[in-house]
Amino acid sequence: GAVVSQHPSWVICKSGTSVKIECRSLDFQATTMFWYRQFPKQSLMLMATSNEGSKATYEQGVEKDKFLINHASLTLSTLTVTSAHPEDSSFYICSARDRQNAGGGPYYEQYFGPGTRLTVT
Amino acid sequence: AQSVSQHNHHVILSEAASLELGCNYSYGGTVNLFWYVQYPGQHLQLLLKYFSGDPLVKGIKGFEAEFIKSKFSFNLRKPSVQWSDTAEYFCAAKIGGTSYGKLTFGQGTILTVHP
Repeated sequence: GAVVSQHPSWVICKSGTSVKIECRSLDFQATTMFWYRQFPKQSLMLMATSNEGSKATYEQGVEKDKFLINHASLTLSTLTVTSAHPEDSSFYICSARDRQNAGGGPYYEQYFGPGTRLTVT
Repeated sequence: AQSVSQHNHHVILSEAASLELGCNYSYGGTVNLFWYVQYPGQHLQLLLKYFSGDPLVKGIKGFEAEFIKSKFSFNLRKPSVQWSDTAEYFCAAKIGGTSYGKLTFGQGTILTVHP
């Protein structure tokens, strides 16, 4: 199956600094990637939809100036947490959407990365 | 707004016990439904999905789920669990009846299977 990687798998940073997380589709091209945030014992919350070559679409309540998303190529999207604070500590998961051609027309499957644990001290 | 609810946060079973994890969604139109599994330290993997047709869907590793439209439910079942099924399970939904939409996840259910 398709593979999505994330780097780093975990990161610790100091309050006020910025952190960049990379999401790569390793064996397919993804015009669309998704960024989720997962709090302990809670669901995955969609933060934004990243579209190659255009601006990301953010979900309601997500600060676009704080969570900068860049999808510069068909295999790479990055999430930069700017001026991180302890409340930004969380598990960030990306997902890449693969278009497949089935008998009844195109079908879109989402593949998930392993996640990045961010701790802001 | 669309939402997905999983009623059990943590389920503990012994090996060979039967499993049923509840999932309900709130949306009156066409939905596509999914179950994902996340093994410790690993990424989310698709267990099974329902788009249309037979409401009883069979997935990988012996799992199945039944779509009951009248109950807005998509419960996950397995007749006999194994220790290796210990993981977190997420129900998810896409609205609109196509595979293109955004996934909305339930809260997740942690399954612990004792040998």
